[in-house]
Amino acid sequence: AQSVTQLGSHVSVSEGALVLLRCNYSSSVPPYLFWYVQYPNQGLQLLLKYTSAATLVKGINGFEAEFKKSETSFHLTKPSAHMSDAAEYFCAVKSSASKIIFGSGTRLSIRP
Amino acid sequence: NAGVTQTPKFQVLKTGQSMTLQCAQDMNHEYMSWYRQDPGMGLRLIHYSVGAGITDQGEVPNGYNVSRSTTEDFPLRLLSAAPSQTSVYFCASSYSGGASYEQYFGPGTRLTVT
Repeated sequence: AQSVTQLGSHVSVSEGALVLLRCNYSSSVPPYLFWYVQYPNQGLQLLLKYTSAATLVKGINGFEAEFKKSETSFHLTKPSAHMSDAAEYFCAVKSSASKIIFGSGTRLSIRP
Repeated sequence: NAGVTQTPKFQVLKTGQSMTLQCAQDMNHEYMSWYRQDPGMGLRLIHYSVGAGITDQGEVPNGYNVSRSTTEDFPLRLLSAAPSQTSVYFCASSYSGGASYEQYFGPGTRLTVT
């Protein structure tokens, strides 16, 4: 069965530092992979998605993610963190049965 | 477009009561789903639907029923509420097939069962 594992339930970085949020997936078929962001007391919105086109995917707000099949990873990065990036981030995978399964989330904090 | 709407925003139930969480979308999306969000557990898929008249179970379906009589609506029913169902519930919709499945989420329903 398809699944995703997010390493680190909480990540804290300084403003201006690199953001790296880790996601590993398990899938028996070429996966569709997603990153979503959730700001406090809001629903989720899509940051970016991988659908087997380019392996480096650019999203909104300066985020990008690289699909690495050999490592079964889809880590999310941003070169320079901004205070407004503080939120919870979720990685998700679409299964062959059309289920979309989410990871447990990573809360990103930004230090001034 | 209103996008995905959910009602109510907040609800308190007593153990054993029943209720229906409403979800509607006006984007003509085939795919709709319900998730529950609990601290430290991310979002867990309860039920999903790939089109009107078609539903299937997700990761945590027990205690919940769904039906999909129209493309627009996908209500979630709790037949006999239990404290373990205290959670925030999100409905989402998307186009299905091809390179899509980008989900649009509603604002959520915060449910407390006492």
